[in-house]
Amino acid sequence: AQTVTQSQPEMSVQEAETVTLSCTYDTSESNYYLFWYKQPPSRQMILVIRQEAYKQQNATENRFSVNFQKAAKSFSLKISDSQLGDTAMYFCALHNTGRRALTFGSGTRLQVQP
Amino acid sequence: GAVVSQHPSRVICKSGTSVKIECRSLDFQATTMFWYRQFPKQSLMLMATSNEGSKATYEQGVEKDKFLINHASLTLSTLTVTSAHPEDSSFYICSAPRGLQETQYFGPGTRLLVL
Repeated sequence: AQTVTQSQPEMSVQEAETVTLSCTYDTSESNYYLFWYKQPPSRQMILVIRQEAYKQQNATENRFSVNFQKAAKSFSLKISDSQLGDTAMYFCALHNTGRRALTFGSGTRLQVQP
Repeated sequence: GAVVSQHPSRVICKSGTSVKIECRSLDFQATTMFWYRQFPKQSLMLMATSNEGSKATYEQGVEKDKFLINHASLTLSTLTVTSAHPEDSSFYICSAPRGLQETQYFGPGTRLLVL
């Protein structure tokens, strides 16, 4: 079975500063995809960034980047220059190529303080 | 980016009635869609996989007869909550995968309240 663990239920960061959200996972598959989604108060799930397991290079998307450590099964999200609009629930997710569904972590609630 | 719509966004119904929720992929075709349930301040829990042209696949513990899924076309999946009870009150979200990376795009969700 696949599992995704987010050990930080809540985090807070000052505007313009950098914050890192942690995620670890477990899977028996050799090829898979990892995602970070944000869920603002509107509850719309929004894709933040994705990473293919076979790529060693860490994905980046503007202010968002990941630190993907395949051997350690770790997939952390770094948000640089935090903005008030980054306030949201962040979910780490693992794609199951067999069922094509996502397995989600429990989420980290991020509050960006002005 | 890909767009997935969901309707209605909010529904209030009486106990014992049935409620239908629609999920549409607006700018791409989806042979597979997923239905999730989310309780307040919790993560998304996969309920079932909707397959166009075949039966849905339900996760363990999800009642097939209570949560009817129909994937009528390549752009539409429906979830019908039959004989709804207050414990069915929740936030229901659908998603559809697109692209080689199987990125899932989510609908805006439906908030169901059963009185």
